[in-house]
Amino acid sequence: DAKTTQPPSMDCAEGRAANLPCNHSTISGNEYVYWYRQIHSQGPQYIIHGLKNNETNEMASLIITEDRKSSTLILPHATLRDTAVYYCIVRVANSGGSNYKLTFGKGTLLTMNP
Amino acid sequence: GAGVSQTPSNKVTEKGKYVELRCDPISGHTALYWYRQSLGQGPEFLIYFQGTGAADDSGLPNDRFFAVRPEGSVSTLKIQRTERGDSAVYLCASSQTSFNEQFFGPGTRLTVL
Repeated sequence: DAKTTQPPSMDCAEGRAANLPCNHSTISGNEYVYWYRQIHSQGPQYIIHGLKNNETNEMASLIITEDRKSSTLILPHATLRDTAVYYCIVRVANSGGSNYKLTFGKGTLLTMNP
Repeated sequence: GAGVSQTPSNKVTEKGKYVELRCDPISGHTALYWYRQSLGQGPEFLIYFQGTGAADDSGLPNDRFFAVRPEGSVSTLKIQRTERGDSAVYLCASSQTSFNEQFFGPGTRLTVL
C-alpha cells in the first residue's frame, strides 16, 4: 500500500470547518483513499472513502486532487466531539489482493477548541 | 443495532501466563480482523478471517499468538507465555465482505506485568 503523510497535530475552533490534509504521492491507480478517526479510548470509526471524485456524506467531505497525490478531509462546523486522531489510509481496490488490510500511520490529532 | 463487542475490556496478567481475548462481530459479517495498537501508534494488522478460516495471519508477531473463529462468528485471540512487550490494546473489526468498511470494537487493553 502507498504511504501517507499527515501533520501530527492540528487545532481548530469549534464551529469552524476543520480541514485535514493528507499526502499520498505514491498512490496507485487501483488504490482508494480512506479516512478513519479514533476518539480517545474507542476503536477507529470509518468516516469516508473515495477513488478520484470528491465525496460527501453526513459526516464529512473528501476532496481528492486531480493527480490523486493528496486529499483533504473536511469536517463542516466541527464541534468539541470531533476531537480525535484522524487516519488517512490508502487501500487496494481490486479483489483478490490484500484489499482487506488497513495500514494505519500515526494520523493527525485534531484538537477542537471552544 | 449492536456493534462489535470485545471482552474483557481490560485484562491484567503476569508475564508467562496465557490469555484469551474474545470478539463478537456484527451479525452477518463474514470478514473479521484483529489489530494491535501500542501507545502513540496507529493500529497494526494481525490477522484476517473470511468465514471460519484465517485467510491472512501474516501480522501475527510470533507463534505465541493464535486466533480461531470456529463457527464463522465469534473469534478468540490467544496469547501464550505472555511477555511485557505484548501489552497493548487489541482491536477487533468486522465487515460485510473483505472490501466493505470495517467496523471496530472498543478494544481490549492488555497489560502484562
